[in-house]
Amino acid sequence: DTAVSQTPKYLVTQMGNDKSIKCEQNLGHDTMYWYKQDSKKFLKIMFSYNNKELIINETVPNRFSPKSPDKAHLNLHINSLELGDSAVYFCASSQETGPLGSQYFGPGTRLTVT
Amino acid sequence: KQEVTQIPAALSVPEGENLVLNCSFTDSAIYNLQWFRQDPGKGLTSLLLIQSSQREQTSGRLNASLDKSSGRSTLYIAASQPGDSATYLCAVYTGGFKTIFGAGTRLFVKA
Repeated sequence: DTAVSQTPKYLVTQMGNDKSIKCEQNLGHDTMYWYKQDSKKFLKIMFSYNNKELIINETVPNRFSPKSPDKAHLNLHINSLELGDSAVYFCASSQETGPLGSQYFGPGTRLTVT
Repeated sequence: KQEVTQIPAALSVPEGENLVLNCSFTDSAIYNLQWFRQDPGKGLTSLLLIQSSQREQTSGRLNASLDKSSGRSTLYIAASQPGDSATYLCAVYTGGFKTIFGAGTRLFVKA
């Protein structure tokens, strides 16, 4: 019974395309996140959503846009993909009061832009 | 600006050895520190979470300590096994829904 799921697991696409990654959590958490893990394995937070409201938005290009249709879903839309967008993207969730408790991560989506 | 550093970057040990992974952070104003495990090609699994008011947490063969004033945490793994081979990440929560990760320590336990 998967707690945080992401689709697709792998995504290969060409520069300039628009793509989406979906994330769903069945933990009843109020806060969800998107992280990017680059080739050097650093995990950097991109977005946080709490009760469907964007809480933080790091210095992420506006080509990236999170969409949360409901509390259990936080999708990531990427427009005009660039080579530098190639990375593994992780979705995560935690309780409403922020990550004062454990964060639960999805399996990741490996995005390759050619 | 909070920075999280993990040393060593990689570690190879024979099976059965006890080992310590280190994590340091530059700003002691944290709410908690979390240790994760990441297996190749897979997501992160939370191992231990230490709140800022706590000194340590234990789970099975794992023990994590936190010295907030010095900006340090250690993850102690007892009697290491080949199945412990993975990358171990530490992360600090600094408020505002922001979690800062270290680059991780790649552990290889030889059978």
